[in-house]
Amino acid sequence: QQPVQSPQAVILREGEDAVINCSSSKALYSVHWYRQKHGEAPVFLMILLKGGEQKGHEKISASFNEKKQQSSLYLTASQLSYSGTYFCGTEIQGGSEKLVFGKGTKLTVNP
Amino acid sequence: DSGVTQTPKHLITATGQRVTLRCSPRSGDLSVYWYQQSLDQGLQFLIQYYNGEERAKGNILERFSAQQFPDLHSELNLSSLELGDSALYFCASSVPPGLAGGEQFFGPGTRLTVL
Repeated sequence: QQPVQSPQAVILREGEDAVINCSSSKALYSVHWYRQKHGEAPVFLMILLKGGEQKGHEKISASFNEKKQQSSLYLTASQLSYSGTYFCGTEIQGGSEKLVFGKGTKLTVNP
Repeated sequence: DSGVTQTPKHLITATGQRVTLRCSPRSGDLSVYWYQQSLDQGLQFLIQYYNGEERAKGNILERFSAQQFPDLHSELNLSSLELGDSALYFCASSVPPGLAGGEQFFGPGTRLTVL
């Protein structure tokens, strides 16, 4: 039931783009994205709901493909502050009210 | 600063012991979630309370229990501790009862070390 995130790690230079994927074997109702910096708490990025639109926040956006039960997080023109581990949390259809998180994708942005 | 407070920040104890972790949600938030984060298991949902009532249960062991008090603070009790319980325990809060309604604000966490 745990979603699978890919890649496990990615290293970028400042200004480059990245895509992080999250796949589930279950039909999903919502996908939540969080970023966690080393030694800190996870911080919310966005929620995507079934039937909802692609969301965006500055240079970070995400999509939700309901047919494939996949979500992708797009980071464009990456900044040093984007470094951290990105987690997707999925809620399966039927209103389980439980978020199941993937193992995370470690993003490192170098100057 | 998310507005969620957790105490203590660090806790070191021995196997077989019992500990209590405390969480105060953001002002106005009625939902409290507990998560366990370990290196091998990642971030795992344990339990959620909404306005004093248990709302959802995840992979919470029988040795663990939680409650939310009338002032909305919550406590997570861990008993008969084992080495494998060593982890970072996060509390998060949100306004609505459901997951789709809003973001969760995470506290700084309590690092538990069981020796």
